Amino acid sequence: DQQVKQNSPSLSVQEGRISILNCDYTNSMFDYFLWYKKYPAEGPTFLISISSIKDKNEDGRFTVFLNKSAKHLSLHIVPSQPGDSAVYFCAAASGGGADGLTFGKGTHLIIQP
Amino acid sequence: GAGVSQSPSNKVTEKGKDVELRCDPISGHTALYWYRQSLGQGLEFLIYFQGNSAPDKSGLPSDRFSAERTGGSVSTLTIQRTQQEDSAVYLCASSTPRDRGSIAKNIQYFGAGTRLSVL
Repeated sequence: DQQVKQNSPSLSVQEGRISILNCDYTNSMFDYFLWYKKYPAEGPTFLISISSIKDKNEDGRFTVFLNKSAKHLSLHIVPSQPGDSAVYFCAAASGGGADGLTFGKGTHLIIQP
Repeated sequence: GAGVSQSPSNKVTEKGKDVELRCDPISGHTALYWYRQSLGQGLEFLIYFQGNSAPDKSGLPSDRFSAERTGGSVSTLTIQRTQQEDSAVYLCASSTPRDRGSIAKNIQYFGAGTRLSVL
């Protein structure tokens, strides 16, 4: 029973365009959401987060949108750069994120020149 | 070191053997987490430590799995009588504590993982 779902295993985007990665969740208790980026043979690195009291958080080229009624969040990267090619994981937590995170299976983003 | 350190980076073992995986968290981080990532899957939460105690062991898949943390720092994850389905990348993360119930940042910083292969 997957509580966090990333339905696109891979996504290909042209350099300079917008990348949109989607994530859906089922647990209404989740109140904190994070995106992690992972390169091969490395651990995931934190990218951006959002709490359930907000619907948008922006950090440079990265923006995360949260739609609580739809239990959906998305990560927008604009403009996309070659170094953005990686696997992106959506993660969720309850209680402000003090406990273990629940991860999706990831989306492999490929930025084409 | 500056980041979360895990050893060994790779471990190959025979079915039925015991293995120990080590995690050295970021200095000053009191919270420590173990996850595993099987092929084609997302990260699966295993166990969480706050200091030396483990408030949440709910993710351990069987009683063959155990973990301990001593001195509030280094943690070891032990898998007894390994099975082929235990093959995965085992990841450790650490973070600074936040008040439970408050909606606040709790960023977990990950190590590079230990790739375990059970033959």
